[in-house]
Amino acid sequence: AQSVAQPEDQVNVAEGNPLTVKCTYSVSGNPYLFWYVQYPNRGLQFLLKYITGDNLVKGSYGFEAEFNKSQTSFHLKKPSALVSDSALYFCAVRVKYSSASKIIFGSGTRLSIRP
Amino acid sequence: SQTIHQWPATLVQPVGSPLSLECTVEGTSNPNLYWYRQAAGRGLQLLFYSVGIGQISSEVPQNLSASRPQDRQFILSSKKLLLSDSGFYLCAWRSWERVGNTIYFGEGSWLTVV
Repeated sequence: AQSVAQPEDQVNVAEGNPLTVKCTYSVSGNPYLFWYVQYPNRGLQFLLKYITGDNLVKGSYGFEAEFNKSQTSFHLKKPSALVSDSALYFCAVRVKYSSASKIIFGSGTRLSIRP
Repeated sequence: SQTIHQWPATLVQPVGSPLSLECTVEGTSNPNLYWYRQAAGRGLQLLFYSVGIGQISSEVPQNLSASRPQDRQFILSSKKLLLSDSGFYLCAWRSWERVGNTIYFGEGSWLTVV
């Protein structure tokens, strides 16, 4: 079955330290992968995506993600965390379904940055 | 530029009452449209998606229905709400024109069934 997994419910990082939020996927064919961020009581905001090309993708707010085909992973990273990065992060993958495609999401990882 | 509007932002409804959440997209044509539900601030569950007017695909059997009466309008409905329908509902759209294109979300609607 095609799926996406975020193995950590919560990640705690001190401000200024590097952060990583993990994501693994299982899809047939070439994956289209996305990261979104959600602040409290808000919709999801797009951060970045991987379609093809360079395995290191740069996105909004200083975030980047590394596509690793052999490990079927797409981990979100940031070199130096800010308190304002505290939010809920979702990894997503596009899957083919009949004549359409749809986006399925991981269960989310809550990122908490302590001052 | 494209924008997505979703309303109402919050809603408190008694059990057994009807529901209508509306979503419209501007600045694009023939978008793919989606309704997601997020329970307890965590994972998103895809409820419905639509590739065109009148074309609705349901992901899970439930107490809800969706309709697309116009190209850029997507409505989530229920005839009789259940307590378990409470949650955060998100409408989203995606352009069909580009491969691997991004899905964009509205600001969400909080539904509390009492």
